[in-house]
Amino acid sequence: KAGVTQTPRYLIKTRGQQVTLSCSPISGHRSVSWYQQTPGQGLQFLFEYFSETQRNKGNFPGRFSGRQFSNSRSEMNVSTLELGDSALYLCASSPGDSPNEKLFFGSGTQLSVL
Amino acid sequence: AQRVTQPEKLLSVFKGAPVELKCNYSYSGSPELFWYVQYSRQRLQLLLRHISRESIKGFTADLNKGETSFHLKKPFAQEEDSAMYYCALAKTSYDKVIFGPGTSLSVIP
Repeated sequence: KAGVTQTPRYLIKTRGQQVTLSCSPISGHRSVSWYQQTPGQGLQFLFEYFSETQRNKGNFPGRFSGRQFSNSRSEMNVSTLELGDSALYLCASSPGDSPNEKLFFGSGTQLSVL
Repeated sequence: AQRVTQPEKLLSVFKGAPVELKCNYSYSGSPELFWYVQYSRQRLQLLLRHISRESIKGFTADLNKGETSFHLKKPFAQEEDSAMYYCALAKTSYDKVIFGPGTSLSVIP
C-alpha cells in the first residue's frame, strides 16, 4: 500500500496570502489528522477528520481550516498568512474508527511565509 | 488540559548501555499512551502503545499512574536507536493525540 502522501512538499508564500495543503491517506483509512511542527512549539494538533466530519479540533485561530472529501482525502487551508505560520505541516491517517489507534504520518509540507 | 512533558531534550548513551527516556503527563483520567520515533530522514512512526503491551525493537514502556509517567526503556542501546523520540497521549480512543516536545537520543559507538 502506498503511504500517506502530502502535496506540495515545499511552499513559499508572502504575508497575507492564503494556502491550501493536500493529504491523501493510506487506502482504507478514514481518519485524517493534521499537525503543525515548529522548532519552538514542537508538534501541535490542528484538527482531525473522520468520514468528512471534523471530529477533533486543536487551539488554532479560525484562519486555519480543513475539510475531508468522500474519498478520505483531506485539505487544510490557512488564510491571511502570518510569518509565524512558517512550519512543517504533517498529515497522519489512522485505520479503523479511532483517530489514535496508530498514526501513519506523511513526509509533510514545509511552508515558508516571507 | 492534558499535557505531555519530556524533561530531556538531548540524551547521549554509549552502545550497550541501558537507556531510559522519560515522559510525564498531566491528566486525571486513564489516557492512552504512545511512543513515536523518527529516525533520520524517515517519517514519524509508532514505536509502541501502552494498551498493546508489546515490546518493539527491545523497547518497553512502563506506565506508573501514581507518578503519571510513561518512561521508555531498553536494556542495551544500539547505534540504530539514535533518533528523535516523542511521547504522546490521548484522553480516550476517540480523542486527538497530543505530543510531548521530544527527546533526541544519540547512541555513541
